Amino acid sequence: TQTVSQSDAHVTVFEGDSVELRCNYSYGGSIYLSWYIQHHGRGLQFLLKYYSGNPVVQGVNGFKAEFSKSDSSFHLRKASVHWSDSAVYFCAVSVASSSFSKLVFGQGTSLSVVP
Amino acid sequence: GALVYQYPRRTICKSGTSMRMECQAVGFQATSVAWYRQSPQKTFELIALSTVNSAIKYEQNFTQEKFPISHPNLSFSSMTVLNAYLEDRGLYLCGARSSGNTLYFGEGSRLIVV
Repeated sequence: TQTVSQSDAHVTVFEGDSVELRCNYSYGGSIYLSWYIQHHGRGLQFLLKYYSGNPVVQGVNGFKAEFSKSDSSFHLRKASVHWSDSAVYFCAVSVASSSFSKLVFGQGTSLSVVP
Repeated sequence: GALVYQYPRRTICKSGTSMRMECQAVGFQATSVAWYRQSPQKTFELIALSTVNSAIKYEQNFTQEKFPISHPNLSFSSMTVLNAYLEDRGLYLCGARSSGNTLYFGEGSRLIVV
């Protein structure tokens, strides 16, 4: 059974600061790792995903994430946040056995950006 | 770009009545559709996976009798919540999978049961 853990429930930073949102997973097989953003009352917006190749993947709006097999991690980073980045961020893993359509989500990290 | 439209955005229904929601993939062909429910506590549950011309696979605790799904083509899917009660409330999300194995979600259909 695959699991996804986001260790920080809430993160608060000032506008212009950098931020790292942490994600650790447990699964030994072929997987996709993804990040999604959910603004209040809205649906899930796809940010980026990793399957293979360069462990650093670039996403939308300046976000990037780095895969580490040794740490079983896929942390999300942004160099300079904007107040509009305030939202809940979900890390997710999907496996080949489900045709990559079944996502297991982390608990979510609520990011608050103070203007 | 890849977009997923869901309709309606929100429904308030009386306990015991039903709600139908629709999902439309725009700009890509959805090789499969996954219906999720996000609880008020923000956790996600997969309801079912649907692939055109294949049987719909329901997860444990979800049944076709309660959540019938129609998936007639590569761009459209619908799901109904029959006999809705308080425990069925939440945000129902449709995720459409692209050929590149990215799952794109719509804005969701929020079910409020009174």
